[in-house]
Amino acid sequence: GAVVSQHPSWVICKSGTSVKIECRSLDFQATTMFWYRQFPKQSLMLMATSNEGSKATYEQGVEKDKFLINHASLTLSTLTVTSAHPEDSSFYICSAKPGASGRETAPYFGPGTRLTVL
Amino acid sequence: QQQVKQSPQSLIVQKGGISIINCAYENTAFDYFPWYQQFPGKGPALLIAIRPDVSEKKEGRFTISFNKSAKQFSLHIMDSQPGDSATYFCAARRTGANNLFFGTGTRLTVIP
Repeated sequence: GAVVSQHPSWVICKSGTSVKIECRSLDFQATTMFWYRQFPKQSLMLMATSNEGSKATYEQGVEKDKFLINHASLTLSTLTVTSAHPEDSSFYICSAKPGASGRETAPYFGPGTRLTVL
Repeated sequence: QQQVKQSPQSLIVQKGGISIINCAYENTAFDYFPWYQQFPGKGPALLIAIRPDVSEKKEGRFTISFNKSAKQFSLHIMDSQPGDSATYFCAARRTGANNLFFGTGTRLTVIP
């Protein structure tokens, strides 16, 4: 099946610093990628939809100036958590769907990035 | 508002038993219903998916049952194994959309 990677798999940073998380589709092109946030023992909450070559679409309540998304190519989307604070500590997961896939294809998820802000 | 409701929150099943997880939705615009399996510290992995024009889909030990009129669907894991212990999420996608709405998850524990 299709593979989506994330880097780093975990990161610890000091409060006030910025952290960049990369999401790559390794064997397919994705015009759209999604960024989710998951708190311990909770479901995935969609943060934003990342569109190649255009601005991301943010879900209600997600600060676009704090969570910067760049989808520079058909295989790479980045999420930058700016001026991170302890409440931003979470598990961040991206997903991508092959651009040429049919109706039956569900998105593939990356392995996630654990962010801990001290 | 939770678009997809999932139950139970947790489930303990004996090895060899049947695990059943239920989901319900209200939005009739949903037309694709995947199930994901997630192990601790990992991203969700697609297990099986179904469309409303099919009442049942089976892949190995995993079966989805779909009741369109009741707007409910369920995952059945036959001959449950300790390796099946994970959190399971149902999800739904609207026609023409790419993003998924997830259920709240079910933590399954299969005891030997």
